[in-house]
Amino acid sequence: ETGVTQTPRHLVMGMTNKKSLKCEQHLGHNAMYWYKQSAKKPLELMFVYNFKEQTENNSVPSRFSPECPNSSHLFLHLHTLQPEDSALYLCASSQDRRGTVSGETDTQYFGPGTRLTVL
Amino acid sequence: GQQLNQSPQSMFIQEGEDVSMNCTSSSIFNTWLWYKQDPGEGPVLLIALYKAGELTSNGRLTAQFGITRKDSFLNISASIPSDVGIYFCAGRGSSGSARQLTFGSGTQLTVLP
Repeated sequence: ETGVTQTPRHLVMGMTNKKSLKCEQHLGHNAMYWYKQSAKKPLELMFVYNFKEQTENNSVPSRFSPECPNSSHLFLHLHTLQPEDSALYLCASSQDRRGTVSGETDTQYFGPGTRLTVL
Repeated sequence: GQQLNQSPQSMFIQEGEDVSMNCTSSSIFNTWLWYKQDPGEGPVLLIALYKAGELTSNGRLTAQFGITRKDSFLNISASIPSDVGIYFCAGRGSSGSARQLTFGSGTQLTVLP
């Protein structure tokens, strides 16, 4: 049990559909992340939220829209996706320590992921 | 940007053998993390390293933060079938976007009975 849950675990959608991925962390952390994991490629950071504010957007197409209503929940809204967007989408959380030297609170804890297939 | 080179990409070993994998970075890191990912699951943290030269163990796993701060290795001793999976290194720099984790491409480990 990692303390980070994601729903749904599997999602199949057409290119014209609109769907949302949900992530919830039960660790009391203040930072949350979305990653994309494609086969044979390193994890790609998509979005970062610190204290509910988006602090990083790694040139992600606008068909992916994140939402962070509070420090425990993170959503990824999907619309008009492409087949190449099929991947495992992972959520992670950590305790951000702004202005301090890296330490134990750097560690990110991952959810189980949502396996997305775009037809 | 920061780049991580993780090797080997895959390994096939006999049960009971020791395993070693490593990551090297193009820049200095302040943190090294090692994760394991089972099929259909998210990465699970194995070992976290925060100081150059640090050597940390977790059961049969041992990892070290290289003294140059540009590399790290993970050793698994006396491998067992449940060690099968993908092992990822991840590192973090000290400022700006470098403070986000950079991940290696993973080492796929197969343990043969």
